[in-house]
Amino acid sequence: DQQVKQNSPSLSVQEGRISILNCDYTNSMFDYFLWYKKYPAEGPTFLISISSIKDKNEDGRFTVFLNKSAKHLSLHIVPSQPGDSAVYFCAVLSGNTGKLIFGQGTTLQVKP
Amino acid sequence: GEEVAQTPKHLVRGEGQKAKLYCAPIKGHSYVFWYQQVLKNEFKFLISFQNENVFDETGMPKERFSAKCLPNSPCSLEIQATKLEDSAVYFCASSQWPGQGTRSPLHFGNGTRLTVT
Repeated sequence: DQQVKQNSPSLSVQEGRISILNCDYTNSMFDYFLWYKKYPAEGPTFLISISSIKDKNEDGRFTVFLNKSAKHLSLHIVPSQPGDSAVYFCAVLSGNTGKLIFGQGTTLQVKP
Repeated sequence: GEEVAQTPKHLVRGEGQKAKLYCAPIKGHSYVFWYQQVLKNEFKFLISFQNENVFDETGMPKERFSAKCLPNSPCSLEIQATKLEDSAVYFCASSQWPGQGTRSPLHFGNGTRLTVT
């Protein structure tokens, strides 16, 4: 049973516009959430994270929003750039073992 | 080093052969994780180590898969008698401490693509 779901396999946006990637989780006990970005033939690269004590965390063009009641988080990229084209994975930290549970990924294409 | 180094990049094995994958974590990182990416995007946790000790092995298949992290050596993931379904990209990741409240998320290598024919 998928504990972390990214329901949109792909997203296409125009350069300069906002990209919004969504992620839902099932377990309300999860309390630390991360976004990773992955280019082809490379490993995932850490992008941004958020703890459950916050509802927003911002780092440059990237902002993560957390809605605990809805068990939903989103990643906003603004303005989007062609170099942002990649697969984005949300992940939750499972317990205190450091194990990450990943979503299925969303492929973002930013068109020039 | 400053990157997680995985070797080889590609590995082709006939069904029934052994496959061994290697991972050198970032210097100073005491936690190592192995993940399997089957199909295009699904990551499956296999096993983690704290230094040379198994930390969490809840994702490891009961048969054919084994892993080690020995002092002064790269960590390794070994698959005995490979099957077609073992074809995947295997990622290694390391961290200083990846637990709750971490400011040290997992840093991934570029993976080893295993193809079983």
